[in-house]
Amino acid sequence: ELKVEQNPLFLSMQEGKNYTIYCNYSTTSDRLYWYRQDPGKSLESLFVLLSNGAVKQEGRLMASLDTKARLSTLHITAAVHDLSATYFCAVGQGAQKLVFGQGTRLTINP
Amino acid sequence: DAGVIQSPRHEVTEMGQEVTLRCKPISGHNSLFWYRQTMMRGLELLIYFNNNVPIDDSGMPEDRFSAKMPNASFSTLKIQPSEPRDSAVYFCASSQNQGYEQYFGPGTRLTVT
Repeated sequence: ELKVEQNPLFLSMQEGKNYTIYCNYSTTSDRLYWYRQDPGKSLESLFVLLSNGAVKQEGRLMASLDTKARLSTLHITAAVHDLSATYFCAVGQGAQKLVFGQGTRLTINP
Repeated sequence: DAGVIQSPRHEVTEMGQEVTLRCKPISGHNSLFWYRQTMMRGLELLIYFNNNVPIDDSGMPEDRFSAKMPNASFSTLKIQPSEPRDSAVYFCASSQNQGYEQYFGPGTRLTVT
């Protein structure tokens, strides 16, 4: 059974600082996704990572995938308040299923 | 494109009543997914369809839950009878056939009293 674990589950940081969210998964997969969810809202797709060593960047967020280590990271550079949200990683299982991590609630303080 | 459309956005009902949630996927998407989100259990896949056919319903919690997809542009998730522990946000998502990215609807917040 595929298990997806995120670390940390809660993260409070100051504006301007850098930090990394980790996503570990238990079985082989060829695709990994990062989503963002604002309170009371839906999930918004951030990144799709489809190969070992894949790195994608959008603004202050950068995601990477190491399929051999079964690890993805979401790095936040010089955080700003607008990035406060809950971030989920999801790992592909079979042809189309996704298994989601618990989510990391990120709070960025001025 | 309007994105994935769900209705109603909020539903409050009494225990024992039937509840029907509706979803319209993005036009051209062949796969549709129903998820449930709670604080305790996080985001769980309930069932998904490919070309209107249910592929995997192993996440459906019990026989009180049923889902249908009569055509490519409409799906329902029904709970009968509803119980307080069914209170959650239910999301519908769609993706292109054999595509990888799932697009989520706004969700239906269900409260069963």
